[in-house]
Amino acid sequence: EVQLVESGGGRVQPGGSLRLSCAASGFPFNAYWMSWVRQAPGKGLEWVANIEGDGSERYYLDSVRGRFTTSRDNAKSTLFLHMNSLRVEDTAVYYCARVFVWGSYGEHIYYDLWGQGTLVTVSS
Amino acid sequence: ILMTQSPSSLSASVGDEVTITCQASRDIVNYLNWYQKKPGTAPKLLIHASSNLQIGVPGRFRGNGSGTDFTFTIASLQPEDFATYYCQHYDNLLSSTFGQGTALEMK
Repeated sequence: EVQLVESGGGRVQPGGSLRLSCAASGFPFNAYWMSWVRQAPGKGLEWVANIEGDGSERYYLDSVRGRFTTSRDNAKSTLFLHMNSLRVEDTAVYYCARVFVWGSYGEHIYYDLWGQGTLVTVSS
Repeated sequence: ILMTQSPSSLSASVGDEVTITCQASRDIVNYLNWYQKKPGTAPKLLIHASSNLQIGVPGRFRGNGSGTDFTFTIASLQPEDFATYYCQHYDNLLSSTFGQGTALEMK
């Protein structure tokens, strides 16, 4: 079955760390860019990070750059989000998503497969 | 680039046609997608590159626009369409910005 399954969420104090995982199955994981998107309670969707299929390129939202790192283990078809120096405002449901790239120059993208999300709560 | 989505909420009845708009602060060509989000579930892609209907999505969903102004229309609302809708601008793979969302509620 083609799916993404996140894990690793939980409650952590401000300044703490957490590692999220996203296990992929049913498709050639290393052929796809992957993304992290979050949704704070009562708020909208917010893009967090992108990582290329071989992990060589990574891009981040300004507010998480330097604190969050995304990585992947293609042998295990697993995506990670390492979150350090967590802030109250990082509290959210975190989703991993598969990125489909298309167009003559690869200029278009969309997220065609999502995980179920994992909740991160940063609170003292 | 700032994405301004409106309205923030909308009340309608089954069978109605509704339109949501998304405005970019500068020209984004057609680099815009639309998603549906229901509580407790992952977002679902409906429209990509402004006007392309995703495979398996009913034809009552329609997207249009280019440059800075985009519209998303649902013709003949069905009960399962009451949800929150988001536009998404993408700058290739460098970054992405979602609109603030439009909560579509049953009147």
